[in-house]
Amino acid sequence: EIVMTQSPATLSVSPGERATLSCRASQSVGSNLAWYQQKPGQAPRLLIYGASTRVIGIPVRFSGSGFGTEFTLTISRLQSEDFVVYYCQPYNNWPPRYTFGQGTKLEIK
Amino acid sequence: QVQLVESGGGVVQPGRSLRLSCAASGFTFSTYAMHWVRQAPGKGLEWVAVISYDGSNQYYGDSVKGRFNISRDNSRNTLYLQMNSLRAEDTAVYYCARGDYGNPFDSWGQGTPVTVSS
Repeated sequence: EIVMTQSPATLSVSPGERATLSCRASQSVGSNLAWYQQKPGQAPRLLIYGASTRVIGIPVRFSGSGFGTEFTLTISRLQSEDFVVYYCQPYNNWPPRYTFGQGTKLEIK
Repeated sequence: QVQLVESGGGVVQPGRSLRLSCAASGFTFSTYAMHWVRQAPGKGLEWVAVISYDGSNQYYGDSVKGRFNISRDNSRNTLYLQMNSLRAEDTAVYYCARGDYGNPFDSWGQGTPVTVSS
């Protein structure tokens, strides 16, 4: 099973600034890494897949990078609605055994 | 557009059973693998199970293997999760999600809460 470690668990940033969230995999997942955003009381929403491809409709201030075992989600010019929880997930496992990172909570500084 | 609507959650005693449903619309249900993912109160996401597009293959997370059964009825565009021998630690919001093998989960339902308590 691939173990995903997100850091930090909580990140405090001021609105308008940039946030950098990290995700590390216990073994290489290539570029098969997704980021999800979850707002309170809502289902997760896919933001980025293929490590760096934004889903249609996701603002350009969200960007992803990385390959193999180290990945980053960067959110520039933070807006109030961005201060929620983010999860990373590898999705190339076979046989299918999916895991998620434990999440990073982005809070207002 | 893609819509996934879960139902069937509720309060159940330990050891009892419950069946969740997920009604799909807005896409060709019979051509996609489907998942169940759960989230315990205040916790992160935990993948539960996946079923292939035609129902011929199922895979489960370790914590539910042997107790839960995922199935689908493509004629009704509905996904199911039969949960048996429920435990307190199965208490969570259960989401259904669309995601073919080797692809991320691109659509999610709103979730249905399950509470296992005596």
